[in-house]
Amino acid sequence: KAGVTQTPRYLIKTRGQQVTLSCSPISGHRSVSWYQQTPGQGLQFLFEYFSETQRNKGNFPGRFSGRQFSNSRSEMNVSTLELGDSALYLCASRTGQTSYEQYFGPGTRLTVT
Amino acid sequence: LAKTTQPISMDSYEGQEVNITCSHNNIATNDYITWYQQFPSQGPRFIIQGYKTKVTNEVASLFIPADRKSSTLSLPRVSLSDTAVYYCLVSPNFGNEKLTFGTGTRLTIIP
Repeated sequence: KAGVTQTPRYLIKTRGQQVTLSCSPISGHRSVSWYQQTPGQGLQFLFEYFSETQRNKGNFPGRFSGRQFSNSRSEMNVSTLELGDSALYLCASRTGQTSYEQYFGPGTRLTVT
Repeated sequence: LAKTTQPISMDSYEGQEVNITCSHNNIATNDYITWYQQFPSQGPRFIIQGYKTKVTNEVASLFIPADRKSSTLSLPRVSLSDTAVYYCLVSPNFGNEKLTFGTGTRLTIIP
């Protein structure tokens, strides 16, 4: 099976812009979670989508949003970018039923200047 | 979710067995213990999961005492490629719970 893929891998944006990141889960996985990783805050949970519905949400401002499509692919959007949004954004997929074994993608490195 | 406490960093020599202990005093009855490994600029990778006693796979072993308030990840005969950050997570094994990663343990293998 192909692993979790994320696009783009690297992105440079300026403050105030918005960005959309994409994640394709492993085939058959219905759950997609997004995480933000920074040196200072570590790995922080953003949100999880399961069957096109947001099932869980972390403590991030409303500028961070996401969605999931019927094929389980997911996108996350960050509007009005701030310098502090520079981070590695990771997507993880799992079956979503009972197992907590998550499979992570390689991440998107976002740099905000 | 039960909080976990791990050492911030550990060093070990190649070829040795490494044990990383995670403390989770408030673990609930339906919580499982899961360990992930992360290399720089990559996503974490699932290593092992367990509920009680001992679990072993081709990569590691997980020891969980009877009171389940701690767990130990054991890596046999480590090599330089085992240098990574190791995260211990405690959560119910249900589909609708979010995962919280702690600070992890930065393991450095010395040649």
